[in-house]
Amino acid sequence: DGGITQSPKYLFRKEGQNVTLSCEQNLNHDAMYWYRQDPGQGLRLIYYSQIVNDFQKGDIAEGYSVSREKKESFPLTVTSAQKNPTAFYLCASGDIESEAFFGQGTRLTVV
Amino acid sequence: AQSVTQPDIHITVSEGASLELRCNYSYGATPYLFWYVQSPGQGLQLLLKYFSGDTLVQGIKGFEAEFKRSQSSFNLRKPSVHWSDAAEYFCAVDGDTGFQKLVFGTGTRLLVSP
Repeated sequence: DGGITQSPKYLFRKEGQNVTLSCEQNLNHDAMYWYRQDPGQGLRLIYYSQIVNDFQKGDIAEGYSVSREKKESFPLTVTSAQKNPTAFYLCASGDIESEAFFGQGTRLTVV
Repeated sequence: AQSVTQPDIHITVSEGASLELRCNYSYGATPYLFWYVQSPGQGLQLLLKYFSGDTLVQGIKGFEAEFKRSQSSFNLRKPSVHWSDAAEYFCAVDGDTGFQKLVFGTGTRLLVSP
């Protein structure tokens, strides 16, 4: 089935550790997005990419990094510079003038 | 900058009653507008979208929304709520690129009472 796959579903990070969240799509969409969700704050855009090998910062990019080496994949790295990484992370993909399709999310917890 | 306001954090509706969730946006031109629903611990599912044309938009699961330019609103409605509609609802706007660089409201949690 076509869709977006995020892994892992749950992830635990120690202080000072980098972790990478996976996002893969087989919808042949050009654009991919990472959002962070915190209780009571809705979703906020971290990074987005409209084409392979290109990406732009969203509203809360500090402490995060991404790559877009393949059309299907848009991994997000949460670095040790992100001081409050505990959150629910959602990946999405879409094409121009169509809706965004979301993955099932990864819940990251700092331990 | 674009912004989306969902003034109701929680709403409780009796099963079978009608529902209206409010959404107001701030944007200079006519944006692309969306309503998404999220069950706990899950991703977001699109309910409906407005790009242009008829201002009354029909979506899945019996939902509809009306775009009112004069009020900068895009309220979501359902004539008869089912217990399975209990979830969190997000309004979103994309006014920049058409490429789904979405700005979300803070969400409204819908509770359905028997």
